[in-house]
Amino acid sequence: GQSLEQPSEVTAVEGAIVQINCTYQTSGFYGLSWYQQHDGGAPTFLSYNALDGLEETGRFSSFLSRSDSYGYLLLQELQMKDSASYFCAVGQNTDKLIFGTGTRLQVFP
Amino acid sequence: DSGVTQTPKHLITATGQRVTLRCSPRSGDLSVYWYQQSLDQGLQFLIHYYNGEERAKGNILERFSAQQFPDLHSELNLSSLELGDSALYFCASSLRVGRDYGYTFGSGTRLTVV
Repeated sequence: GQSLEQPSEVTAVEGAIVQINCTYQTSGFYGLSWYQQHDGGAPTFLSYNALDGLEETGRFSSFLSRSDSYGYLLLQELQMKDSASYFCAVGQNTDKLIFGTGTRLQVFP
Repeated sequence: DSGVTQTPKHLITATGQRVTLRCSPRSGDLSVYWYQQSLDQGLQFLIHYYNGEERAKGNILERFSAQQFPDLHSELNLSSLELGDSALYFCASSLRVGRDYGYTFGSGTRLTVV
């Protein structure tokens, strides 16, 4: 079986820091990715972790611990435009990317 | 514009009918992936094609089929449509397989079955 668990919703205020966790259980692991999707829009790629540790891309960082089957996306200096759904995704093999159910982030002024 | 083109953007059809969704990948990308997203749900992997060959299947119903043509565009065929097939269907493309360089998604086709 396979499962990716994320919180369904997270709220925060502008300028704050928020962490979205993802735990996974999959047969096969080829890295953890994060995607952002605004309402009615297409998912857009944010980050990818193949190895343990922290990857930083501007205001966003992503972390992976393969031994714990766990990762998180850290969003700093939150802006209103960051209100969106965030999906973690695991490469189950080289040909298949499995997405979590998504976390809806609401940023308030 | 992501570079991945999906047509049509919206489709309304009746139960029992058949429809074809079309996807043109980003220039140079060889892989095409199809995903289904139902209301407030995650993205369900349907199928992956690489350079014309089927590489992986997800939870794709037997009523659904897909193919990738020599010019690398792909079509997803949905037949004997049911109300539950109403969803957003996304196509994504990537340059290669074997490492996640990030998928580029199209804007999707919203299918409504009435």
